[in-house]
Amino acid sequence: EAGVAQSPRYKIIEKRQSVAFWCNPISGHATLYWYQQILGQGPKLLIQFQNNGVVDDSQLPKDRFSAERLKGVDSTLKIQPAKLEDSAVYLCASSGTVRGEAFFGQGTRLTVV
Amino acid sequence: RKEVEQDPGPFNVPEGATVAFNCTYSNSASQSFFWYRQDCRKEPKLLMSVYSSGNEDGRFTAQLNRASQYISLLIRDSKLSDSATYLCVVCQVQGAQKLVFGQGTRLTINP
Repeated sequence: EAGVAQSPRYKIIEKRQSVAFWCNPISGHATLYWYQQILGQGPKLLIQFQNNGVVDDSQLPKDRFSAERLKGVDSTLKIQPAKLEDSAVYLCASSGTVRGEAFFGQGTRLTVV
Repeated sequence: RKEVEQDPGPFNVPEGATVAFNCTYSNSASQSFFWYRQDCRKEPKLLMSVYSSGNEDGRFTAQLNRASQYISLLIRDSKLSDSATYLCVVCQVQGAQKLVFGQGTRLTINP
């Protein structure tokens, strides 16, 4: 079974530029998460989708971050404009069971310079 | 108070030793519990679910104490390959499922 796919794996941009990340969850998984992980910390939830609807975006900096999952499958996360403090790994995960365990993609390592 | 709290460590233990981590959670309505393992520069991977009755998978034992709201992970006969960060994860159901991560406990097994 294919896992969660993310791209790109790495991205370096200058501050104030924009960037987009893509995620394809495990087939059939209704729940999709985007997490931000800063070095030395646990993953922090940015946004959670249930099919194509947002169920939690309380920690998403909406002035610069946006995400969508238009057809309830793939998702994109965008940052515009980027700040130095956005340097982190952006992890996408999906879940499709009653217990709720999630499976992660390899992540996108973003460096803002 | 953080929703899920872990001792960040680092824990440095010799190969073959037994090591235990604890994790506490604040939401008594939490329903599912997991331990994830994260290697350096890799994504978190599910290590094991934690059940009320306790469960074991080889050298790993997980326990849940709902009354005290804590979860534990015990690693016996530790191997060098067990060196990683161990993340405690709690699933809350508030309408939709919500996964909350602890900050992780860093473990290094020394030869």
